[in-house]
Amino acid sequence: GAGVSQSPSNKVTEKGKDVELRCDPISGHTALYWYRQSLGQGLEFLIYFQGNSAPDKSGLPSDRFSAERTGGSVSTLTIQRTQQEDSAVYLCASSPPWDRVGTPLHFGNGTRLTVT
Amino acid sequence: QQQVKQSPQSLIVQKGGISIINCAYENTAFDYFPWYQQFPGKGPALLIAIRPDVSEKKEGRFTISFNKSAKQFSLHIMDSQPGDSATYFCAASKSGGFKTIFGAGTRLFVKA
Repeated sequence: GAGVSQSPSNKVTEKGKDVELRCDPISGHTALYWYRQSLGQGLEFLIYFQGNSAPDKSGLPSDRFSAERTGGSVSTLTIQRTQQEDSAVYLCASSPPWDRVGTPLHFGNGTRLTVT
Repeated sequence: QQQVKQSPQSLIVQKGGISIINCAYENTAFDYFPWYQQFPGKGPALLIAIRPDVSEKKEGRFTISFNKSAKQFSLHIMDSQPGDSATYFCAASKSGGFKTIFGAGTRLFVKA
């Protein structure tokens, strides 16, 4: 079946502009996650959705970052007034509900954001 | 408490050799320890995972060894192949929780 889809795959923007990154999770996956991966670095947790609600937004780096999820499916990560330090690969993952141990994450291929 | 420490940062192994990547965690509430493999331009993909009620899990050439008392676990890749060249992430999470904590990653290069 279809995996997690992210768009665009690449985005180049000028400093100060707003950007929107989109994630289509696997059908039926109620949990959705956003991670950030800087060049050669690990995975930084940003936010998690269970359904349309986000129980924990503490990973968002600043108030310039926001995310929403509608219909328990598509999610959008918005970065306002982009800065050069926002340049990274933004990864989205989805998983079935956390009702048992051992629920792996299914990642998309990410959006590579470059702020010039 | 929430960290997962991974080493080495990079690893070069000859074809046919054994690749070993180590991870340590602090939070004893973690009960699921997956390893993810990431190729350039792709998202991480689950490779193999273990729960703390077993000390070892093997899938083909990949083995996880788990030491609950030491709060450490490791990935062993036997007969390493050039196609195994990728970045490997260990991770930890707890049932009922939502946040998977990742190690910093290990870049593996297998020389032909």
